[in-house]
Amino acid sequence: LAKTTQPISMDSYEGQEVNITCSHNNIATNDYITWYQQFPSQGPRFIIQGYKTKVTNEVASLFIPADRKSSTLSLPRVSLSDTAVYYCLVGLNNAGNMLTFGGGTRLMVKP
Amino acid sequence: DAGVIQSPRHEVTEMGQEVTLRCKPISGHNSLFWYRQTMMRGLELLIYFNNNVPIDDSGMPEDRFSAKMPNASFSTLKIQPSEPRDSAVYFCASRRTGVGQPQHFGDGTRLSIL
Repeated sequence: LAKTTQPISMDSYEGQEVNITCSHNNIATNDYITWYQQFPSQGPRFIIQGYKTKVTNEVASLFIPADRKSSTLSLPRVSLSDTAVYYCLVGLNNAGNMLTFGGGTRLMVKP
Repeated sequence: DAGVIQSPRHEVTEMGQEVTLRCKPISGHNSLFWYRQTMMRGLELLIYFNNNVPIDDSGMPEDRFSAKMPNASFSTLKIQPSEPRDSAVYFCASRRTGVGQPQHFGDGTRLSIL
């Protein structure tokens, strides 16, 4: 299982763009990169997933360079409600799906 | 659509008692996962099922833990006998098999063993 490394915490202000980078140097050919968001007393919530290049949805963008050894979650114009822990995961995305959660990045959005 | 449903949301019991946690996956999802989350160890995968069959239980901490999935819409995680160090939040997640299909998590069961 590919191990991930991401910053323990980040601070930002409302309205700013936040970029959280995750390193996964031993990512395998079949591995997908998935990001989750977790609020206190709730389960992790799926944000975005990608394999290569750029993926965008209504919540975030995910940038993946050609070597796929890292990825960056981009949250546009964050608000106070985006304060949460963000997890980067790498793993096979088939019937044998095994995902390892790292420590996550605790994002604090300030007014 | 209803999400993953876990029960109970909170459980407080004395050590030595049997604890049963329940999970109803999202309809149509054929993989189910049990996780445990603590401050010290973060989120750990305990076991996962595919089409109701346990595929990998290497994360189950010891024989006191057992999990079953008698049908596609129900799974249990049982701890017998429970110990204070089992106190944690236990999450269930499910997913539809296939490339690009993410896991969807329930809101967990907060377990406290006194």
